[in-house]
Amino acid sequence: NAGVMQNPRHLVRRRGQEARLRCSPMKGHSHVYWYRQLPEEGLKFMVYLQKENIIDESGMPKERFSAEFPKEGPSILRIQQVVRGDSAAYFCASSPGQGGSYNEQFFGPGTRLTVL
Amino acid sequence: GIQVEQSPPDLILQEGANSTLRCNFSDSVNNLQWFHQNPWGQLINLFYIPSGTKQNGRLSATTVATERYSLLYISSSQTTDSGVYFCAAQGVGGQNFVFGPGTRLSVLP
Repeated sequence: NAGVMQNPRHLVRRRGQEARLRCSPMKGHSHVYWYRQLPEEGLKFMVYLQKENIIDESGMPKERFSAEFPKEGPSILRIQQVVRGDSAAYFCASSPGQGGSYNEQFFGPGTRLTVL
Repeated sequence: GIQVEQSPPDLILQEGANSTLRCNFSDSVNNLQWFHQNPWGQLINLFYIPSGTKQNGRLSATTVATERYSLLYISSSQTTDSGVYFCAAQGVGGQNFVFGPGTRLSVLP
């Protein structure tokens, strides 16, 4: 049973380019969460999605950032016109659902974004 | 929203020593998990423990939900235990995890 998959593992972009980060949840999981970790800091929630729906995007910057989880395929976190301050590790987590032990989140290996 | 604190921020141990890491949270929780982030950056699930006590090998955890804290115990520590330990809590009615700042553990040979 494969875990949460993220790709790419490392991504280098120049200022002004777009970054696309992909996350495939664990088999049977329909809930996806994205978190950002700045160097030497903890993880900060960005967005929570279910298939074709954004449930909570309260942690997402209002501009340049967007996320989707289509009916088919992985969840995508998209960052437009990247700036140096976007350099961070971006983690995806998935859970089977909500309520009780269905809340338990499992994390992918992360995508480390470097903006030059 | 819920606030999560962890202590101590840093901990240095000799191999073989025991330790206790603490997580305090400000409100009732639906979900509480402990993670280990290893030196390569991977986040490893340790415990899903919104209440009660669990044990897994040399590690155990206890959450006292009524008093809003959780403890992670590491016994007979090994160098491979080094890394950052995070507690994360999901408040009642909340959708997402709030992570604590972490405890950075260094186990010396």
